[in-house]
Amino acid sequence: GAVVSQHPSWVICKSGTSVKIECRSLDFQATTMFWYRQFPKQSLMLMATSNEGSKATYEQGVEKDKFLINHASLTLSTLTVTSAHPEDSSFYICSASSSTDTQYFGPGTRLTVL
Amino acid sequence: DQQVKQNSPSLSVQEGRISILNCDYTNSMFDYFLWYKKYPAEGPTFLISISSIKDKNEDGRFTVFLNKSAKHLSLHIVPSQPGDSAVYFCAASAGTASKLTFGTGTRLQVTL
Repeated sequence: GAVVSQHPSWVICKSGTSVKIECRSLDFQATTMFWYRQFPKQSLMLMATSNEGSKATYEQGVEKDKFLINHASLTLSTLTVTSAHPEDSSFYICSASSSTDTQYFGPGTRLTVL
Repeated sequence: DQQVKQNSPSLSVQEGRISILNCDYTNSMFDYFLWYKKYPAEGPTFLISISSIKDKNEDGRFTVFLNKSAKHLSLHIVPSQPGDSAVYFCAASAGTASKLTFGTGTRLQVTL
């Protein structure tokens, strides 16, 4: 149990385009989903927290207009990187949590912006 | 300000021996701690957790110890196996289903 999927696993896009990443909890209902990014050899940095049906809460320094988060249902959250630039290239990971404390992570999405 | 620290970036242990990974935190509001294992280009996999009301939690080969007064936790893996080779992150949160603050990770290499 507690499986979280992400799609796509790897995406390459041109600078200035937008990219959407999906995060799904496959076998449980996620009341809360989290989005992280990880730069090479660094820790996971929380970008935002989203609760189903409400606006996401962004961490300090994360541009909410650039990283659009939608948590449309208890099993799906999406992160859209708008007008992507090369510095947005990173490994993006989502996690999902139900009423318990444990967060379960997706496999991650590697974004490369050319 | 790194609220969760893993001061050892890497650790090498022989197969069959005990691996001890350490983690320190500074925020006294943290009351829930987790360990995750991560392979390159994959998401973290949950290993074990501990609440601040406990000082030890065991699950198979994995045991987590929490010393609240020292703000220190450790993960013991015994016996270590080659398949345990990965990066291990400790994480902490304040409250139920709250956001996690991760340490910088420790790369464990289990040698034959």
